[in-house]
Amino acid sequence: KQEVTQIPAALSVPEGENLVLNCSFTDSAIYNLQWFRQDPGKGLTSLLLIQSSQREQTSGRLNASLDKSSGRSTLYIAASQPGDSATYLCAVPNSGNTPLVFGKGTRLSVIA
Amino acid sequence: GAVVSQHPSRVICKSGTSVKIECRSLDFQATTMFWYRQFPKQSLMLMATSNEGSKATYEQGVEKDKFLINHASLTLSTLTVTSAHPEDSSFYICSARDRVDTGELFFGEGSRLTVL
Repeated sequence: KQEVTQIPAALSVPEGENLVLNCSFTDSAIYNLQWFRQDPGKGLTSLLLIQSSQREQTSGRLNASLDKSSGRSTLYIAASQPGDSATYLCAVPNSGNTPLVFGKGTRLSVIA
Repeated sequence: GAVVSQHPSRVICKSGTSVKIECRSLDFQATTMFWYRQFPKQSLMLMATSNEGSKATYEQGVEKDKFLINHASLTLSTLTVTSAHPEDSSFYICSARDRVDTGELFFGEGSRLTVL
């Protein structure tokens, strides 16, 4: 059974810092990996999708990497802004192309 | 990306009543939709998988008679919480996969259910 772990659980940084969020998963036979953002009381916004054959994906100030063999992914946020404050969730399919299994998320606070 | 819409976003009901939550894919057809539940400060837990035209598949520990799922068309799935109790109060989120399967899941805005 797939398990997803995210470290740290919470992170507070001053505005402008670059930061890295970590995600690890136990079953490396994944179809893809998705990073989401969730604001309090809101749904999920998809940030990046990395297919199993890819090593990284970039969108604006966000860069996500994937190392399938070691069961790890990182989300890099450059030049953080207060508007980046949210919970960031990592998710992978339980197996193959099945529903996503989520980590508990990293709660990010960017202080102005 | 594709858009998934949920309604209502918030609902308050009395204990013992039933509540229906709708999940619609607005710009694509979804043969499969997933329903998740999220308790405060916890991650999302998969409740069930609904497939258009067939019965939903429920995760272990989820009561199918309490959480009725109907996926009657390629753009609409509904979750009905029957005889709701305060412990059913939670944030319910649906997600859908584009019919041309890219593997990417798109999520609705979520529905906050409060049972008094």
